[in-house]
Amino acid sequence: DQQVKQNSPSLSVQEGRISILNCDYTNSMFDYFLWYKKYPAEGPTFLISISSIKDKNEDGRFTVFLNKSAKHLSLHIVPSQPGDSAVYFCAASFMEYGNKLVFGAGTILRVKS
Amino acid sequence: DVKVTQSSRYLVKRTGEKVFLECVQDMDHENMFWYRQDPGLGLRLIYFSYDVKMKEKGDIPEGYSVSREKKERFSLILESASTNQTSMYLCASSQGVPPYEQYFGPGTRLTVT
Repeated sequence: DQQVKQNSPSLSVQEGRISILNCDYTNSMFDYFLWYKKYPAEGPTFLISISSIKDKNEDGRFTVFLNKSAKHLSLHIVPSQPGDSAVYFCAASFMEYGNKLVFGAGTILRVKS
Repeated sequence: DVKVTQSSRYLVKRTGEKVFLECVQDMDHENMFWYRQDPGLGLRLIYFSYDVKMKEKGDIPEGYSVSREKKERFSLILESASTNQTSMYLCASSQGVPPYEQYFGPGTRLTVT
């Protein structure tokens, strides 16, 4: 039972353009959503999060949008840079689940220069 | 600066061996986690611990056990390694407050032959 889904295994984008990474979820109890970035042979690093009571959160080049009615969130990276090439994981949590996160399968982003 | 360290970056073991993976965090976090990452499957939770000597099974605990004798240290034990346990193992810790962000170590690439 995949509660968090990232349906695109990979995405290729030209440097300077926008990258849009998508994530869908099934559990309406989730109250926080997080995005992580992972380079090969390194652990994931936290990028940005959004509370379920908001529909947008921005941090520099990264913006996360949440559409609760569609149970969908997306991460926008503008402008994309070659250093953004990595695997991006979407994750979700809710209070009754304790301190655990549910992760999606990840999307490989390649930014071409 | 937040730090989670793992005892080995790369490990090669034989089928049937007992394997110990060590994780140490220096952030005084209550919660610690062990995941494995496999292509197309994302991060899957093996075990987590919310306090010293306390543990809870994650989604895929079979073939693994854990030990948490001190707050800063969380060990993953493969009782009898098998080839299907070849994977990237990631340790994480968290403070347990919203958005429940977890901090990850660099990972251990384990190969069982």
